[in-house]
Order: sequence, then C-alpha cells, then structure tokens
Amino acid sequence: AQKVTQAQTEISVVEKEDVTLDCVYETRDTTYYLFWYKQPPSGELVFLIRRNSFDEQNEISGRYSWNFQKSTSSFNFTITASQVVDSAVYFCALRVTGSNYQLIWGAGTKLIIKP
Amino acid sequence: SAVISQKPSRDICQRGTSLTIQCQVDSQVTMMFWYRQQPGQSLTLIATANQGSEATYESGFVIDKFPISRPNLTFSTLTVSNMSPEDSSIYLCSALDLGSPDTGELFFGEGSRLTVL
Repeated sequence: AQKVTQAQTEISVVEKEDVTLDCVYETRDTTYYLFWYKQPPSGELVFLIRRNSFDEQNEISGRYSWNFQKSTSSFNFTITASQVVDSAVYFCALRVTGSNYQLIWGAGTKLIIKP
Repeated sequence: SAVISQKPSRDICQRGTSLTIQCQVDSQVTMMFWYRQQPGQSLTLIATANQGSEATYESGFVIDKFPISRPNLTFSTLTVSNMSPEDSSIYLCSALDLGSPDTGELFFGEGSRLTVL
C-alpha cells in the first residue's frame, strides 16, 4: 500500500530561521513521483516541485531546497531564511505509475513564520 | 501551466439545498479532478472527470450526491446535492498538465468554501 506521512502537524519559527518539513513515503513501486504543494490562506494549492524516483539529486530553487533520499524513503523540504510569506500549509504527495494520475496526500504541515 | 478559475469562491447554504461549483481552465486538459478538503484536513479525491465519459467516483462518494459534468476540455461542474452541515468543506478543482507522459503535475483552482447551516 502507498502512504505519505508528514509527522509535523504544525511548525512555528521566527522569521529568517531555516526550517525543514519532513515527508516520509511508502510504496513498493520502483517508479513513482513525489510532489510538494503549498496552500496559503487563500486556499489555492501551488505546485512547488516534482521529483521522480530515478532522480535523487537534491534541488535548490532560491530559498527552497529539497532532499530526496530513497534509502530512508524521505523527501524533505527546507526553507532557508524563512519569511512571513512562507506561512502556509505544505503538502507532500506521492503518485505511482498506473494510478490514473491520482495523488496520495500527506496530512500537511502548517508552517507559521512569526515576524 | 494551466490557470483554473472556480466559482463561487465561497457560499453559505441552507440544509437540503444543492449548489453547483463551476471550474474553468484556460487551456484544454484531458483530466480534471474534484477534491474535498474538510477543515484542517488533507485532500480527499471525490472523482475524476474526463471529457466524453462518465466521471469515476472514489469510495465513499456517489453520483447522486456529487453529480459531475464535463461538457468540454476546459470546463467542469460539481454539484453538492441535498447538503447537510457535514458537507461544509473546501471543494477544489484540479487539472492535469501532462507535460511529458506520466509526469504531469496537478494545477488547482482557489477552491470553493462551502458552509452549510
């Protein structure tokens, strides 16, 4: 069975601190895709990144970085020098091939950045 | 990337009534999905809507309660029928950007926040 676990329900940090959001996934498939989405208070889900199971390179995009480790089935997301605008709920999701493009969603982590 | 518009953005409804949510995409997309997000919760897939075929519903969701239309490649509607307070949720429309085969990401509308009294 496939599953995504985001153990951190809520994280609160002071602006400019670095923060890491954890994501652990379970699947027996060898080909799969991992995603991160951001949901600000406005409600819209914003796509942040997609990573396939054959690409373990870490990725950096500005203040955002992602650490994909198949050995620990983790796909963690780090925000460097956090800003108040980063406050949102962040979701990690998994899709396996043959799933008709359906995503398996984590419970989400609410990130609060205090000024 | 696709831009998705949902209407209404929010509504307060009376128990027993029905509400239709509209979802408009600015480009043609093959697959559209409807999700429900209850307060403070993650997303739950209601159904997959492909143009030219009946919507495919997930376990726990039925067509009589959540009828879906998909008349063309840019538009879909979800109706929440005979509403009860338990239907108070955010309903999100999403579309699949295929990009390259099997790797497309989902794009979402801003959601429709329904409160049922």
